[in-house]
Amino acid sequence: ELKVEQNPLFLSMQEGKNYTIYCNYSTTSDRLYWYRQDPGKSLESLFVLLSNGAVKQEGRLMASLDTKARLSTLHITAAVHDLSATYFCAVDASPQKLVFGQGTRLTINP
Amino acid sequence: EPEVTQTPSHQVTQMGQEVILRCVPISNHLYFYWYRQILGQKVEFLVSFYNNEISEKSEIFDDQFSVERPDGSNFTLKIRSTKLEDSAMYFCASERESAGNEQFFGPGTRLTVL
Repeated sequence: ELKVEQNPLFLSMQEGKNYTIYCNYSTTSDRLYWYRQDPGKSLESLFVLLSNGAVKQEGRLMASLDTKARLSTLHITAAVHDLSATYFCAVDASPQKLVFGQGTRLTINP
Repeated sequence: EPEVTQTPSHQVTQMGQEVILRCVPISNHLYFYWYRQILGQKVEFLVSFYNNEISEKSEIFDDQFSVERPDGSNFTLKIRSTKLEDSAMYFCASERESAGNEQFFGPGTRLTVL
């Protein structure tokens, strides 16, 4: 059974700093997704990573995928308050089923 | 921009009652999903639906749950006899085609079972 683990689960950081969220998964998969969720809201798609070595960037966020290590990272550069949210990674357990990590609750303080 | 819509946004029901949660997926999408999220926890897969039948379901999706696409636009999740532990946010998602395309999530229905 596929397990997806995120680290850390809670992250409080200062504006302007850099940090990385890690997502490990237990069985082979070539597809990984990052979502953002604001409190009480739905899941907003951030990145779709479809192959080993894939790297995608949008603004201050950059995601990468290493399928051999079964690891994805979400890197935050020069954090701003607007990035405060919960971030989920999700992995295809089969073509039609996503398994989510526990989520990383990110708080960015001025 | 097309989006997935869900109704109602909040449903309160008594234990043992039936509820139907409704979703309108994006119009040219072919794959439909239900997920749930208990407050403060991770998102859990319930069921996937393609070509008018269930493709895959989780162990959570027992015989109290059913899904239907009654017409060309709606996709529904029915819980026959709700339990307290069914209280959660239920998200519908749709996908244009499988194998790597992203799933787009609706705003969710918060179900509260009293």
